[in-house]
Amino acid sequence: DAGVIQSPRHEVTEMGQEVTLRCKPISGHNSLFWYRQTMMRGLELLIYFNNNVPIDDSGMPEDRFSAKMPNASFSTLKIQPSEPRDSAVYFCASRGGTSGSSYEQYFGPGTRLTVT
Amino acid sequence: RKEVEQDPGPFNVPEGATVAFNCTYSNSASQSFFWYRQDCRKEPKLLMSVYSSGNEDGRFTAQLNRASQYISLLIRDSKLSDSATYLCVVGHNDMRFGAGTRLTVKP
Repeated sequence: DAGVIQSPRHEVTEMGQEVTLRCKPISGHNSLFWYRQTMMRGLELLIYFNNNVPIDDSGMPEDRFSAKMPNASFSTLKIQPSEPRDSAVYFCASRGGTSGSSYEQYFGPGTRLTVT
Repeated sequence: RKEVEQDPGPFNVPEGATVAFNCTYSNSASQSFFWYRQDCRKEPKLLMSVYSSGNEDGRFTAQLNRASQYISLLIRDSKLSDSATYLCVVGHNDMRFGAGTRLTVKP
């Protein structure tokens, strides 16, 4: 079975450029989460969607970050303009539901972003 | 105060040792609890869910104490392959991760 798919796996860009990260959740899952991981701050929840609707974006650092989920099989996280402090690994995760074992999240392999 | 707190370690133990990790959480309304494992430069992977009655999976035992708002993970007979960072996760609709506890099992 295909797991969560993220692209690109690695991204190196210059400060000020726009960066778009992509995620395809596991088919049939109705919740999608974007996380950012750094050594200093650990794994931080940025935003999550239920049934394509953003539920909580309080973790989004600032207006430079935006996320969309136009349909059940695709989501994007955009940073515009990017800054060196945005350098991190960005993970996407999906979940099947909100009861029992469907609470479990499954992570994609992550996108390693470096902003120079 | 962080929503989910863990002892960052590192824990360095010999093979065969028993090691325990604790994690505290601040939101008493939390309803779902998990332990994830993360290997270096990899994504977190689900290790086990944590149920109110406690649960065991082979060498791994997880427990939940709602009154004191903490969860624990016990690893018995540790193996070299258990070396990783262990993350506790607490939440309901959203999911909050602890900073992780690094474990190194040595020969």
